[in-house]
Amino acid sequence: GQQVMQIPQYQHVQEGEDFTTYCNSSTTLSNIQWYKQRPGGHPVFLIQLVKSGEVKKQKRLTFQFGEAKKNSSLHITATQTTDVGTYFCAADLNRYSGAGSYQLTFGKGTKLSVIP
Amino acid sequence: KAGVTQTPRYLIKTRGQQVTLSCSPISGHRSVSWYQQTPGQGLQFLFEYFSETQRNKGNFPGRFSGRQFSNSRSEMNVSTLELGDSALYLCASSLVQRTNTGELFFGEGSRLTVL
Repeated sequence: GQQVMQIPQYQHVQEGEDFTTYCNSSTTLSNIQWYKQRPGGHPVFLIQLVKSGEVKKQKRLTFQFGEAKKNSSLHITATQTTDVGTYFCAADLNRYSGAGSYQLTFGKGTKLSVIP
Repeated sequence: KAGVTQTPRYLIKTRGQQVTLSCSPISGHRSVSWYQQTPGQGLQFLFEYFSETQRNKGNFPGRFSGRQFSNSRSEMNVSTLELGDSALYLCASSLVQRTNTGELFFGEGSRLTVL
């Protein structure tokens, strides 16, 4: 079935290094959302991207939506130990056709470990 | 504003039993979704409810069912439990938006262990 592919699965970085996770879809997306799940916690919404080529920043986090609306990335500059967790992208894969499916399909996530 | 509340937080069942999980959405949120999270499969969509109607269902067997009440609270039920049903069950509520799938607000989850 339709999927949202997310890479890498795991990333270990030294504190202060940068981190990037990528999300790809074979279909054009109407929008994409990003969530963060801390160890032992629940997913928490970070941001939603809607426009082609959109770039949004939240402090050290930069989110991009591809020009073709088929891929997205999350980049963290100068990681801190508070950035530890799993980052998920999510999309309604059926929305672009105009008929929303009322479900989000999540990528498998990228688990970020930060070595102090 | 209170967040999404899920009960119970932890439970242990044996194969063949059934379980009911409860979810109270954020006040004013009428859409409630359920997701199953496992290490191997990640977050998988179970179903979504709005105004007591199931609008979509994921690829899960009929043993998984749910419902929504007039106050938007939702329950999901799993009958004839199998070992593979052990997972974190997450409920999420959202404000229904006309043009886009809205931001999901997740509860803490109900961690089910099937022995």
